[in-house]
Amino acid sequence: EVQLVQSGAEVKKPGESLKISCKASGYSLSDYWMAWVRQMPGKGLEWMGIMHPDDPNIRYSPSFEGLVTMAADRSINTAYLHWGGLRASDTGMYYCVRRPHRTGAAFDVWGPGTWVTVSS
Amino acid sequence: QSALTQPASVSGSPGQSITISCAGSSSDIARYNLVSWHQQHPGKAPKLLIFDVSDLPSGVSNRFSGSKSGNTASLTISGLQAEDEADYYCCSYTGSSPLYVFGTGTKVTVL
Repeated sequence: EVQLVQSGAEVKKPGESLKISCKASGYSLSDYWMAWVRQMPGKGLEWMGIMHPDDPNIRYSPSFEGLVTMAADRSINTAYLHWGGLRASDTGMYYCVRRPHRTGAAFDVWGPGTWVTVSS
Repeated sequence: QSALTQPASVSGSPGQSITISCAGSSSDIARYNLVSWHQQHPGKAPKLLIFDVSDLPSGVSNRFSGSKSGNTASLTISGLQAEDEADYYCCSYTGSSPLYVFGTGTKVTVL
């Protein structure tokens, strides 16, 4: 069964760093692109960016450029989303989503989400 | 690039049909046939409902259908059922930065 398995909920303080993970199961990470989507409490979906394990050119949304870093480890079929210094406004649910190779294709598999709370 | 515009809420009675609009621009919806729709039940992750404007993934009920005219895409739910009560988001490829943009979301209520 194809699925994305995300790491558990996190509670952090402002300024701390964080890396959350998304493990692809049932398929090879290199066969698809991986995007990340944020959903702030009670709000809508925001596209953060997209990457491919074999492509160094990660496409970030201008709203998230410089604030997060996307990466992947093909050897363990896992993608990551990293913050170097969290802010309270980073509180929300983060979904990893799979996208087929075709340019512009839709996100066809969603992870269950990782809830991140940033509070002093 | 601003979010695509959707009505905040749409409601209907069981068995009725409802349509949710998604207004974009000449840079996204009008330019590409790459609009998708995603359904999100409370407390759950979204799920792909429609891709490439009107195609259904395997396993999705054919009560859901999609279309596009100019810079506006639409999702129609026919034979409305209680289980259709959820939030619905459109999404379009833009070809520029940001590569994708989501709609503002629509809450569907089954009366």
